[in-house]
Amino acid sequence: DGGITQSPKYLFRKEGQNVTLSCEQNLNHDAMYWYRQDPGQGLRLIYYSQIVNDFQKGDIAEGYSVSREKKESFPLTVTSAQKNPTAFYLCASTIYNSGNTIYFGEGSWLTVV
Amino acid sequence: KNEVEQSPQNLTAQEGEFITINCSYSVGISALHWLQQHPGGGIVSLFMLSSGKKKHGRLIATINIQEKHSSLHITASHPRDSAVYICAVGTSGSRLTFGEGTQLTVNP
Repeated sequence: DGGITQSPKYLFRKEGQNVTLSCEQNLNHDAMYWYRQDPGQGLRLIYYSQIVNDFQKGDIAEGYSVSREKKESFPLTVTSAQKNPTAFYLCASTIYNSGNTIYFGEGSWLTVV
Repeated sequence: KNEVEQSPQNLTAQEGEFITINCSYSVGISALHWLQQHPGGGIVSLFMLSSGKKKHGRLIATINIQEKHSSLHITASHPRDSAVYICAVGTSGSRLTFGEGTQLTVNP
């Protein structure tokens, strides 16, 4: 079945370490997104990509980096520069843009210890 | 003020009740999405609409573009409907703006 796969589901990181969250989709979608969710807040956009080898910063990109070397993959690296990285991270994709149905992965819980 | 406002923030209902969740937005949109988030965190798309009304099973979504308002209705609610319901609006291009969500609890 087509869908979006995020891994790992749960991740613990020590302060000062970088960590990479994986997002893979087999829906043949052009657009992919990374969101962060904190308790009591709406999802906030970290980065998005509309095409391979191109991506744009979202509203809270500081301390994060991404790559889009393949259409189906959009990994997110949480760097040591991110001051408050403990959160729930969601990857999503659409065929083209926000006017199309959006599909989400199951999310990744990142805890900094 | 948030660009997308949902109400209520929390809603508790008895099984069988008719439920309405509201979403107001302040920007021009290309589409509005209703999403459902279960306790494990995964999110599924319920509806995407740009005008009128859509129905899927016991769920109905409506939108009034002039009033910048949308509602999600659940008829004959059931405990399995308990989840967070999120409204999101798509503006130009690829960006979506999300409401903070409505936590729905349906008691048996």
